[in-house]
Amino acid sequence: QKEVEQDPGPLSVPEGAIVSLNCTYSNSAFQYFMWYRQYSRKGPELLMYTYSSGNKEDGRFTAQVDKSSKYISLFIRDSQPSDSATYLCAMSDSGGSNYKLTFGKGTLLTVNP
Amino acid sequence: GAVVSQHPSWVICKSGTSVKIECRSLDFQATTMFWYRQFPKQSLMLMATSNEGSKATYEQGVEKDKFLINHASLTLSTLTVTSAHPEDSSFYICSARGRAHYEQYFGPGTRLTVT
Repeated sequence: QKEVEQDPGPLSVPEGAIVSLNCTYSNSAFQYFMWYRQYSRKGPELLMYTYSSGNKEDGRFTAQVDKSSKYISLFIRDSQPSDSATYLCAMSDSGGSNYKLTFGKGTLLTVNP
Repeated sequence: GAVVSQHPSWVICKSGTSVKIECRSLDFQATTMFWYRQFPKQSLMLMATSNEGSKATYEQGVEKDKFLINHASLTLSTLTVTSAHPEDSSFYICSARGRAHYEQYFGPGTRLTVT
């Protein structure tokens, strides 16, 4: 079993839809959770980062972490064609590992106008 | 937000030559910098982790004599691909983490093509 599982998609939605992206993980030591957006041939862009369980909202984006279920989610409201990209979840344990990230494989999202 | 730059963005070199890629944190001090490699349609593969003023820690299977990493200051790290071969052609991305922060900020990446 991989440490982080993420459905690679592809996921195709109409403009304005609510998008739900998810990852599950097996390592209970993970405490720090991040979502990145990566456009083709570009470096990943940090969208959201959270520590431990709970919700965090930033504009159209909401990140949720459920450590009891080892499950994290990213919701995108009012999706736009410019949101079309690959979304990567990432997580790390304590600072002893320099906060080294373990990534999901990424979900390819297309938002159709 | 924190900004990380990389230079060059694209480089073509001949087989057997060496190539240096720079990674800079522009508006924060990067306690730790990471170097990744990414193949098409695949996720990022961590190559090495470097702390300022210390030797880099390489991931298993990464040749430290081939991929030389230097992190001489809190804002600059370099990756040198020595004696490059066509199989080293890839997308190289750096990231940086500031002191007391757990999140990483990524550079825009460098596309290396070895002919």
